Amino acid sequence: DQQVKQNSPSLSVQEGRISILNCDYTNSMFDYFLWYKKYPAEGPTFLISISSIKDKNEDGRFTVFLNKSAKHLSLHIVPSQPGDSAVYFCAASGNKLVFGAGTILRVKS
Amino acid sequence: DAGVIQSPRHEVTEMGQEVTLRCKPISGHNSLFWYRQTMMRGLELLIYFNNNVPIDDSGMPEDRFSAKMPNASFSTLKIQPSEPRDSAVYFCASSSATGKRSPLHFGNGTRLTVT
Repeated sequence: DQQVKQNSPSLSVQEGRISILNCDYTNSMFDYFLWYKKYPAEGPTFLISISSIKDKNEDGRFTVFLNKSAKHLSLHIVPSQPGDSAVYFCAASGNKLVFGAGTILRVKS
Repeated sequence: DAGVIQSPRHEVTEMGQEVTLRCKPISGHNSLFWYRQTMMRGLELLIYFNNNVPIDDSGMPEDRFSAKMPNASFSTLKIQPSEPRDSAVYFCASSSATGKRSPLHFGNGTRLTVT
């Protein structure tokens, strides 16, 4: 029973274009959402978060959008850079933090 | 700040052997988490501690798995006996609070291979 789903295992984007990573959740009790980035042979690192009282949070090139009615969030990276190539995990928090399976982003130069 | 330190980085063992993974959290952090990453299930929470006390171990897959935190600067995850399906990357993470707005700081993981 996966409460947090990242349905795209991988995504390939040209440098300079927008990357959009998607995440769906099923538990309406989740009220805080986070994105983590993971490079090979390293642990995940925190990237950006959003509270359920907001629908958008922006930090530089990274923006997270939350659609509570659809139980959907997305991470936009604009412009994408080769250094953004990594695995991106969506996570949702209620009484515990639940991660999705991750999406591999490859930014081509 | 040295970050969360895990050892060993890689562990290869035979089925039936005991495996012990180690973690040193960031100094001052009072919450510690053990996660397992697999291709199929992504990052799964196994257990977490707050102030050295286990709070939620519902993610521990079987009695073969056990975790301890004898003090604020050290934790172990033990698998006895190990099985091939335990092969995965195991991450330890710490945070400064159990609040949901406290991001987790992960170690670089231990890649376990059970043959």
